[in-house]
Amino acid sequence: SQTIHQWPATLVQPVGSPLSLECTVEGTSNPNLYWYRQAAGRGLQLLFYSVGIGQISSEVPQNLSASRPQDRQFILSSKKLLLSDSGFYLCAWGGQVNTEAFFGQGTRLTVV
Amino acid sequence: GENVEQHPSTLSVQEGDSAVIKCTYSDSASNYFPWYKQELGKRPQLIIDIRSNVGEKKDQRIAVTLNKTAKHFSLHITETQPEDSAVYFCAASIGRSGYSTLTFGKGTMLLVSP
Repeated sequence: SQTIHQWPATLVQPVGSPLSLECTVEGTSNPNLYWYRQAAGRGLQLLFYSVGIGQISSEVPQNLSASRPQDRQFILSSKKLLLSDSGFYLCAWGGQVNTEAFFGQGTRLTVV
Repeated sequence: GENVEQHPSTLSVQEGDSAVIKCTYSDSASNYFPWYKQELGKRPQLIIDIRSNVGEKKDQRIAVTLNKTAKHFSLHITETQPEDSAVYFCAASIGRSGYSTLTFGKGTMLLVSP
């Protein structure tokens, strides 16, 4: 069965520091991968999606970037964190078109 | 792009009552509509979904209805229980070549009082 791993679960970082969140998927090949952010409040905002290695699409302009160095690995990064980057970050994977998205456990990022 | 509106933002019911959450979407090309439940501090998990070729789908106490003409869909929970308390998200998806992206509503916090 497919599983998705995301770490760390919690992170406190100072303003201006770099960020690297990692997500890996097991049990499936060539998944579609997604990064979402859930800010204070409850909405889920799509940040990036990837349909293959090295292919990244961004939904909104921001201080973050994403990379997919391997088929089942998706990384969210920032060179310099802002206070507004605080939130709950969720990695997700999806298979075929118009099927369920499966979420990782999430990373709660607090920028101080 | 797609825009999904969800109402209400908060819903309080007594145990045993029914709860209804409504969503509207803007892009008529959307053809997949999942609903997710998120308990406090946890990941969202799918509870039910519906595709555009179906008007209604039911799974035990949960049902979803879809009106493509009006571009709205609703979640119905009957005989609510305290463990139904959570945030519920609707989403709409447009299928593209090999992938699809979900646009979520802002969520509804459901509180079920014993």
